[in-house]
Amino acid sequence: QQQVKQSPQSLIVQKGGISIINCAYENTAFDYFPWYQQFPGKGPALLIAIRPDVSEKKEGRFTISFNKSAKQFSLHIMDSQPGDSATYFCAAQILTGGGNKLTFGTGTQLKVEL
Amino acid sequence: EPEVTQTPSHQVTQMGQEVILRCVPISNHLYFYWYRQILGQKVEFLVSFYNNEISEKSEIFDDQFSVERPDGSNFTLKIRSTKLEDSAMYFCASTPAEGLNTEAFFGQGTRLTVV
Repeated sequence: QQQVKQSPQSLIVQKGGISIINCAYENTAFDYFPWYQQFPGKGPALLIAIRPDVSEKKEGRFTISFNKSAKQFSLHIMDSQPGDSATYFCAAQILTGGGNKLTFGTGTQLKVEL
Repeated sequence: EPEVTQTPSHQVTQMGQEVILRCVPISNHLYFYWYRQILGQKVEFLVSFYNNEISEKSEIFDDQFSVERPDGSNFTLKIRSTKLEDSAMYFCASTPAEGLNTEAFFGQGTRLTVV
């Protein structure tokens, strides 16, 4: 019940195309849904995040769509660029009373080709 | 820009040896975390630490693991007797508070290789 399922495992998109990564969760206690971007040899870095009372959030080329009833959320990267090539993790957060505990999806390796 | 720093970047150790991974969280942050990522797998929560005590730990964080904040700046993860399966990238993270819209800042990680 604590799992976050993420798909696809890998994705190849042409420059200028749209990258779409999907995640699903089961635990309704999750209260915040961030997406992290990770480049090789680096730690995950927050990309964009959404609260479950919002259906969509857009920041530049990145958009999260959130479907609370289906317990699904997705990341859309518009006009994908080679510099977007990285691993993307969706995550779900629970407040434990002693911090924010993140449960990560399995990751999607995105490659944007010229 | 403030950042979480981890040392060393890579540690190789013999099975059965003790290792200490070090982290310097962002200075005004109050909550500290360790996560690990086995090669090619997802990032997994290990432990959270607040007010000088563990606030939450996962089933991975057994008696072989311990955390400490020995002074006002460092946050350490100790593995008492390393096993081959402890080989992973270990990430330290910190947050200024607990709550919604609170970003977790991750360090660049320590790659632990147990041989």
